[in-house]
Amino acid sequence: DQQVKQNSPSLSVQEGRISILNCDYTNSMFDYFLWYKKYPAEGPTFLISISSIKDKNEDGRFTVFLNKSAKHLSLHIVPSQPGDSAVYFCAASAYSSGSARQLTFGSGTQLTVLP
Amino acid sequence: KAGVTQTPRYLIKTRGQQVTLSCSPISGHRSVSWYQQTPGQGLQFLFEYFSETQRNKGNFPGRFSGRQFSNSRSEMNVSTLELGDSALYLCASSTGPGIMNTEAFFGQGTRLTVV
Repeated sequence: DQQVKQNSPSLSVQEGRISILNCDYTNSMFDYFLWYKKYPAEGPTFLISISSIKDKNEDGRFTVFLNKSAKHLSLHIVPSQPGDSAVYFCAASAYSSGSARQLTFGSGTQLTVLP
Repeated sequence: KAGVTQTPRYLIKTRGQQVTLSCSPISGHRSVSWYQQTPGQGLQFLFEYFSETQRNKGNFPGRFSGRQFSNSRSEMNVSTLELGDSALYLCASSTGPGIMNTEAFFGQGTRLTVV
């Protein structure tokens, strides 16, 4: 049972246009959400995050939107650049036993930005 | 400062064998988490160690085990390898237990192929 779902395995966008990557979750205990970017042969790198007390967080060209009632978040990249081509993972965190937290990842979306 | 180092980068093993993967976290980081990445499954959480103690464990069979040493280096062991264990194994380090913000850094991973 996947608690974090990225239903689009791939997305192609023209350079300069907006890229929108979507993520849905089922666990209402998730209270912190992150996006990671992964290039081939490299480990994932943190991109942007959002706490459940917010509905939007912006960092340069990257904006994450959170809709708690729909259990949905999205990552917007504007404008998209060829260097943004990578696999994007959505991740969610919930408080678990003790003081530890655990990240649950989606299956990833391959973004290709066409020049 | 050096990043997260995983060794070896690539490994080919035969079914039934066992394998040990190594992860050296960033200096000063005491928490190490392990993930398995397979096509279409995203990153599946294996376990997390902090101060030589396993604090969290994902939903994997007992063939998957790990440990952490006093210098925070961590090893992951998989016994009686199966074809389905072929995957990219990623290690992430952070300063404290759990991963909830930008403090998690991933290594490049070990690509394990079971034949």
